[in-house]
Amino acid sequence: QSVLTQPPSVSGAPGQRVTISCTGSSSNIGAGYDVHWYQQLPGTAPKLLIYGNSNRPSGVPDRFSGSKSGTSASLAITGLQAEDEADYYCQSYDSSLSVNWVFGGGTKLTVL
Amino acid sequence: EVQLVESGGGLIQPGGSLRLSCAASGFTVSSNYMSWVRQAPGKGLEWVSVIYSGGSTYYADSVKGRFTISRDNSKNTLYLQMNSLRAEDTAVYYCARAAPYDSSGYALDYWGQGTLVTVSS
Repeated sequence: QSVLTQPPSVSGAPGQRVTISCTGSSSNIGAGYDVHWYQQLPGTAPKLLIYGNSNRPSGVPDRFSGSKSGTSASLAITGLQAEDEADYYCQSYDSSLSVNWVFGGGTKLTVL
Repeated sequence: EVQLVESGGGLIQPGGSLRLSCAASGFTVSSNYMSWVRQAPGKGLEWVSVIYSGGSTYYADSVKGRFTISRDNSKNTLYLQMNSLRAEDTAVYYCARAAPYDSSGYALDYWGQGTLVTVSS
């Protein structure tokens, strides 16, 4: 059971907009800790997609955006493309655990 | 160019030990926070350990007392010593750099390709 909760799967047709939620608690996201998002294409290592809730590293298309409110965060992908099909993970910090750094369980995005 | 290359994975019997290495290039390991993250077959990401630039180390409860993170500054290499291995430690192990993006925030901006550890008799 992950500290951060994500839907197991989402799907959308090419060109559509999808969102992936990441729900935490008062000891992690709700405590003000930032959320980061990672994209893992099949058979590859994770890649940083969004950092500090809403910032994109150089080279990440502006089709990807992140937001945070209260104890939750969201990743939005607009203009869905076939190459966006991947697993997406949120990550934050938790002050109540000795684990410190926590990941969501991951969301599989399927492009229909 | 920043690169991280893991090695040392393999098949090991339960109760055995293994040391993973992560050779870095393009930046200095000792000046950065460095982390290990693992992924069991078909499962999600699990944070394992981190070593801060100052040398402090932290571990997930699942590995505390069995795993040790360290670095060799002269080789610019990160290590993960894994003892008393269990079947549930079977996973791809990634090393990653945690880079600061503001006064207190860190994100895992570069990842290695991963090395597979299989614990089985």
